[in-house]
Amino acid sequence: AQSVSQHNHHVILSEAASLELGCNYSYGGTVNLFWYVQYPGQHLQLLLKYFSGDPLVKGIKGFEAEFIKSKFSFNLRKPSVQWSDTAEYFCAVNAEASGGSYIPTFGRGTSLIVHP
Amino acid sequence: NAGVTQTPKFQVLKTGQSMTLQCAQDMNHEYMSWYRQDPGMGLRLIHYSVGAGITDQGEVPNGYNVSRSTTEDFPLRLLSAAPSQTSVYFCASSDRPWGQETQYFGPGTRLLVL
Repeated sequence: AQSVSQHNHHVILSEAASLELGCNYSYGGTVNLFWYVQYPGQHLQLLLKYFSGDPLVKGIKGFEAEFIKSKFSFNLRKPSVQWSDTAEYFCAVNAEASGGSYIPTFGRGTSLIVHP
Repeated sequence: NAGVTQTPKFQVLKTGQSMTLQCAQDMNHEYMSWYRQDPGMGLRLIHYSVGAGITDQGEVPNGYNVSRSTTEDFPLRLLSAAPSQTSVYFCASSDRPWGQETQYFGPGTRLLVL
């Protein structure tokens, strides 16, 4: 079965620090990759996604992620975090299942706290 | 558009009670799904539907039932609540098969089973 690993469960940073959150998946076939964010008290919303083309994708609020196929990774980055980036971040993979359908799998999530 | 709405926001149940979590979307999306979110576990798929009248099981379906009589609504039923079902439940919808499609999430229902 496919799985998604997020290595950093809790990250605490000061404002203006750089951020990188790791995401690895275990599936060798066609995948579509997502990062979702859940701000305190809010529902999940899309940060960015990748399905083809340039492996470096840019999302909202200055976030970007790089797809490295050989490493089965899709790490999320931001050069300078803000207090408002405090949230939980989820990596998700839609992997092709039998019959051509796709099933989404989410990682455990990374809780980011940014100190002002 | 209201997007994806869920009711109730909070619920406390006693072991053995049954209840229905409501989910509705006004975007005419074909795909709808239910997830539970537990600390350190991320989101796990309970059931999903690819259109009215069609449902299927996800990763953790035991103890839950779903039906999809209309495109808009996708209720989740707890048949006999257990403490292990204490969780936050999210409903989500997407326009087309998951593939490259973004999922739109509701605000969640916090359920406590005593």
